[in-house]
Amino acid sequence: DTAVSQTPKYLVTQMGNDKSIKCEQNLGHDTMYWYKQDSKKFLKIMFSYNNKELIINETVPNRFSPKSPDKAHLNLHINSLELGDSAVYFCASIGRLAGEQFFGPGTRLTVL
Amino acid sequence: DAKTTQPPSMDCAEGRAANLPCNHSTISGNEYVYWYRQIHSQGPQYIIHGLKNNETNEMASLIITEDRKSSTLILPHATLRDTAVYYCIAISAINTGTASKLTFGTGTRLQVTL
Repeated sequence: DTAVSQTPKYLVTQMGNDKSIKCEQNLGHDTMYWYKQDSKKFLKIMFSYNNKELIINETVPNRFSPKSPDKAHLNLHINSLELGDSAVYFCASIGRLAGEQFFGPGTRLTVL
Repeated sequence: DAKTTQPPSMDCAEGRAANLPCNHSTISGNEYVYWYRQIHSQGPQYIIHGLKNNETNEMASLIITEDRKSSTLILPHATLRDTAVYYCIAISAINTGTASKLTFGTGTRLQVTL
């Protein structure tokens, strides 16, 4: 069983569209994250949710809206997509240890 | 969390030990050293972590200097599948669970060759 899963794996869309990426973890963790990895391979945290509550928001544009229907799911909705949103987006969850995060396989978003 | 510095790239012959250094000279007493790796196009993968003692698990060994200003990740018998970018991250033990966040640097690109 995949611990942290994301859908879709690839997403190609036009500028201005709205799209969502879904993430699910079956590890029973309370805290989940979204990271963005740009074309230069820098991996940066975007959001963190604990038990459906927003904990960390790293000054991400408000076009990005995470939603957590329950603690096993953290979805990312992006409005009015821009070229600069093209990146790989990773979902992660954290267990008992402060630094041990479990990452999903990533969603490669391409905005044309 | 303390800043870490790693060489941008390293090569290692298959079957040999890969020793990946990390400098964290400003690390504080309550910060752990964590290592992750990212194989091409995959999500980062946790490898190992330590505070001040050397650690070993099924994937690797972690050697932390006595002054804790640097550490070395050792892959004892590197294989081609170990080719990846390796990240060294310092994170406070205080930031457990809800508020912890990983700050990834540029890492070391390890190329394992035949």
